[in-house]
Amino acid sequence: SQQGEEDPQALSIQEGENATMNCSYKTSINNLQWYRQNSGRGLVHLILIRSNEREKHSGRLRVTLDTSKKSSSLLITASRAADTASYFCATDENQGGKLIFGQGTELSVKP
Amino acid sequence: DAGVIQSPRHEVTEMGQEVTLRCKPISGHDYLFWYRQTMMRGLELLIYFNNNVPIDDSGMPEDRFSAKMPNASFSTLKIQPSEPRDSAVYFCASKEGVQPQHFGDGTRLSIL
Repeated sequence: SQQGEEDPQALSIQEGENATMNCSYKTSINNLQWYRQNSGRGLVHLILIRSNEREKHSGRLRVTLDTSKKSSSLLITASRAADTASYFCATDENQGGKLIFGQGTELSVKP
Repeated sequence: DAGVIQSPRHEVTEMGQEVTLRCKPISGHDYLFWYRQTMMRGLELLIYFNNNVPIDDSGMPEDRFSAKMPNASFSTLKIQPSEPRDSAVYFCASKEGVQPQHFGDGTRLSIL
């Protein structure tokens, strides 16, 4: 079953704007990860945030984690047309092998 | 680094036929995962291996599905007999220890 619920399901913005995607989950976790999927391709890992971290940055990406609310957000600043893709959150409960993926947010960035 | 390699990229076959999907993980990775992605159900974990041993196959839909990992550099996912509802994109992913997963580009399977 899918643990992560993502919001919104689809997001359309103009180049240069910021994009924010949210993810909620149900159980306690060891870490939460964000992945990106371009059409027709496999998922690519973007960023990992551990349960004892509240915020993490990587380039134009900013991830927050609120374990009390069991939620995370991914912010992409100054978006580009090349950011058009689906974005998935995935939770790792015990740093073992298994990830549970959300349904994803489909982001469209118009030039 | 070649990345995770899956074959074939596309497979179209008739209902009832046996289908075999193949995966070569990244060298040195000790975990291998098989996922299925559909519009209705999203990305589902089917089975994963650690050091070639199946650890969790609770996501395998039914006995028609089987997966093997005879060595560290090769895995197969087999469907026999195939049904139209098996149509999906099947992904293989691998990872080393606690590092993030690396995905192949998938096999798009259509069962007619």
